[in-house]
Amino acid sequence: EDQVTQSPEALRLQEGESSSLNCSYTVSGLRGLFWYRQDPGKGPEFLFTLYSAGEEKEKERLKATLTKKESFLHITAPKPEDSATYLCAVQAGGNKLVFGAGTILRVKS
Amino acid sequence: EAGVVQSPRYKIIEKKQPVAFWCNPISGHNTLYWYLQNLGQGPELLIRYENEEAVDDSQLPKDRFSAERLKGVDSTLKIQPAELGDSAVYLCASSPTSGSGELFFGEGSRLTVL
Repeated sequence: EDQVTQSPEALRLQEGESSSLNCSYTVSGLRGLFWYRQDPGKGPEFLFTLYSAGEEKEKERLKATLTKKESFLHITAPKPEDSATYLCAVQAGGNKLVFGAGTILRVKS
Repeated sequence: EAGVVQSPRYKIIEKKQPVAFWCNPISGHNTLYWYLQNLGQGPELLIRYENEEAVDDSQLPKDRFSAERLKGVDSTLKIQPAELGDSAVYLCASSPTSGSGELFFGEGSRLTVL
């Protein structure tokens, strides 16, 4: 069964304090790994797609990387507006997305 | 471009009552999804449509849940009768291509069953 585990469950950072979120996965035949951002009371918003080990994607202060067993979302010099829940999802056969429980990020000024 | 529209945003009902949620996907998106999100958890797929055909409804509790997507555009998700454990956020999403993991989500419909 496909599984996604995200850690930590919650993370508090000071503005400018860089850190990383982890997404470890167990899947047969990974077709893609996806990162989403979810603000309170909103639906998830797509951030990145990663397809193969070694791949990296960047967007503003965020960089996503992928290995054969896990993905990292690196946040460089975060700002309060980066506060949100970050969700990781994997896609295997059948096109179904399996989401992790998310990491709640709070950035304080 | 308008995003995915869902209604109602909030619904409070008593157990055993029926409830329905409506979703209008992004224009031109043939694939539509209904997800369930419990507090502190990630979304879980209930049903996926390709145009008007339900291609994956394996996670839909068919004894009380039903869905339809007439004419391959708007979709309705119904629960009858609702149970206390159905309290959650029901998310609708769409994508322009089948098999894409890049989904466009609506803001969700939050259901509270008393």
